[in-house]
Amino acid sequence: DVKVTQSSRYLVKRTGEKVFLECVQDMDHENMFWYRQDPGLGLRLIYFSYDVKMKEKGDIPEGYSVSREKKERFSLILESASTNQTSMYLCASSFLGQKVYEQYFGPGTRLTVT
Amino acid sequence: DQQVKQNSPSLSVQEGRISILNCDYTNSMFDYFLWYKKYPAEGPTFLISISSIKDKNEDGRFTVFLNKSAKHLSLHIVPSQPGDSAVYFCAASGVYTGNQFYFGTGTSLTVIP
Repeated sequence: DVKVTQSSRYLVKRTGEKVFLECVQDMDHENMFWYRQDPGLGLRLIYFSYDVKMKEKGDIPEGYSVSREKKERFSLILESASTNQTSMYLCASSFLGQKVYEQYFGPGTRLTVT
Repeated sequence: DQQVKQNSPSLSVQEGRISILNCDYTNSMFDYFLWYKKYPAEGPTFLISISSIKDKNEDGRFTVFLNKSAKHLSLHIVPSQPGDSAVYFCAASGVYTGNQFYFGTGTSLTVIP
């Protein structure tokens, strides 16, 4: 059974703080993704990575950075948190190959920036 | 610009009846479509998928229909059960879109006992 875990379920941070969100998967997936989910906007891709130390921008990368030092771990970094980054953050992983593979999601981190 | 659209934010259905959730897309390069189900405070879970070489895929109570000419897909749930109450997201992808998934905005389904 695929397992994707996220370091925190709920997080409250102050404006200007540096925030780290961690994600770990145990299925040896090549691809890892960070999304944010907001009401009326669905899931929007922030960054993804298809290999260690590789990263690609998604649709809304501004204000975020990522790190992938190990295959199983993908971190999302908010360099200076702002109130408009209050959201549900979802990590996902999938195999990489010639066909499209479904993504497996973690439980999410509800981040509130005050 | 939203490439995958779910125009109904919510849907209510009586238990035992059919639920039909709709999804439209704009990118003709998409060739693989998925439905995800999400309960509150949980991550989305994969429900069912369909590739563009098919027009129907069935898995138990869940059937997905694809109309490529209309760029439209739908998820049918028959019979609907109270445990089906959740937010449903459709997603589209393809090897030519770099395996990136594009998600719709979601439809909140409520099945009334």
